[in-house]
Amino acid sequence: DAGVTQSPTHLIKTRGQHVTLRCSPISGHKSVSWYQQVLGQGPQFIFQYYEKEERGRGNFPDRFSARQFPNYSSELNVNALLLGDSALYLCASSLIPSGRPYEQYFGPGTRLTVT
Amino acid sequence: RKEVEQDPGPFNVPEGATVAFNCTYSNSASQSFFWYRQDCRKEPKLLMSVYSSGNEDGRFTAQLNRASQYISLLIRDSKLSDSATYLCVVRVNFGNEKLTFGTGTRLTIIP
Repeated sequence: DAGVTQSPTHLIKTRGQHVTLRCSPISGHKSVSWYQQVLGQGPQFIFQYYEKEERGRGNFPDRFSARQFPNYSSELNVNALLLGDSALYLCASSLIPSGRPYEQYFGPGTRLTVT
Repeated sequence: RKEVEQDPGPFNVPEGATVAFNCTYSNSASQSFFWYRQDCRKEPKLLMSVYSSGNEDGRFTAQLNRASQYISLLIRDSKLSDSATYLCVVRVNFGNEKLTFGTGTRLTIIP
């Protein structure tokens, strides 16, 4: 089975621009979460969506938004990019309900560089 | 205080040795616990969930101490392929699936 897929793999943007990152969950998974990982740190939670509804939001500014589509894929949008937004953006999917306690599986990530 | 704290290392361990990592968490309402491994410039991969009774998967053993709010991971007979960053992860059920990660412990197995 295919795992979580993300696109694009790499992206270079300039300050002030907008970016859209995409994620397709594992087949059958209805929950998608987004994380930001800066160098040397663990991933930080941005959003979780389940059945197209936002279930959780991390401590990120309103420049960050997301949505989930009827096929459970998801987009993360970031407006007015700052240098500090440079990071690896990870998408994770999980099966709810699950026999295993909320295990999440990550995609390969999108590496965003803001110059 | 960080929600999840780990010794960042690095741990440099000879091949075949046993290595142990500890992690502490601050929120006593945490309900689910995991260890992930992350190779350089790759995504985190689930290594194992951690259960209250402790659990073992091959050379890996995880323990949870709710009273002291710490989680441990033991790797026996370490292999070169075990070199990675190990992330301690907890989940508090606030009606969502937010995972809170430690900063990770970097392990290098030396031939």
